[in-house]
Amino acid sequence: DQQVKQNSPSLSVQEGRISILNCDYTNSMFDYFLWYKKYPAEGPTFLISISSIKDKNEDGRFTVFLNKSAKHLSLHIVPSQPGDSAVYFCAATSNTGKLIFGQGTTLQVKP
Amino acid sequence: EPEVTQTPSHQVTQMGQEVILRCVPISNHLYFYWYRQILGQKVEFLVSFYNNEISEKSEIFDDQFSVERPDGSNFTLKIRSTKLEDSAMYFCASRWVPAADTQYFGPGTRLTVL
Repeated sequence: DQQVKQNSPSLSVQEGRISILNCDYTNSMFDYFLWYKKYPAEGPTFLISISSIKDKNEDGRFTVFLNKSAKHLSLHIVPSQPGDSAVYFCAATSNTGKLIFGQGTTLQVKP
Repeated sequence: EPEVTQTPSHQVTQMGQEVILRCVPISNHLYFYWYRQILGQKVEFLVSFYNNEISEKSEIFDDQFSVERPDGSNFTLKIRSTKLEDSAMYFCASRWVPAADTQYFGPGTRLTVL
């Protein structure tokens, strides 16, 4: 079941630069998308979400872009900070409520 | 800030034993979920629960699994006869309304089946 895919297992960026994490989905019934951040041995922490009726949502340093025609979303972090280093999960849901997660991308922000 | 809590943080059990994982969701939330993450794999949905009944379950959630909300605050996941492959991190999540709303996750219980 690969309904949500994060094709980059890892990403390394320099502090202060932009981090771009990508996510693709296949199920056109998904109508709400979320990004979670996760540290080892902790639960996923909600970062930002976007409804399918929008194409952009911004919260501080975090912006999520949704391209419905391409079934693609991305998370931009600007500027990146060393404390942003973690695993980032993209998740999608429809009106059933259950979240379908991608495999995660490990972000390393170097000082 | 309200948060989802889970106990224990780590549970070690022998194969075939029963385990109960406990969760206290955020107090005004109405929808409750269990997910699991096997080491190195993605987070997987197990079950959703609303109005004292299961609303959806995955193929993983077989007869060995059950959920219960025994009182107004706790939400439990029981595995009747654990198998080695049940070893994983188990996450509880809750949310307030059914659609287009964020699920908030607990810190997880690491279950190790020997």
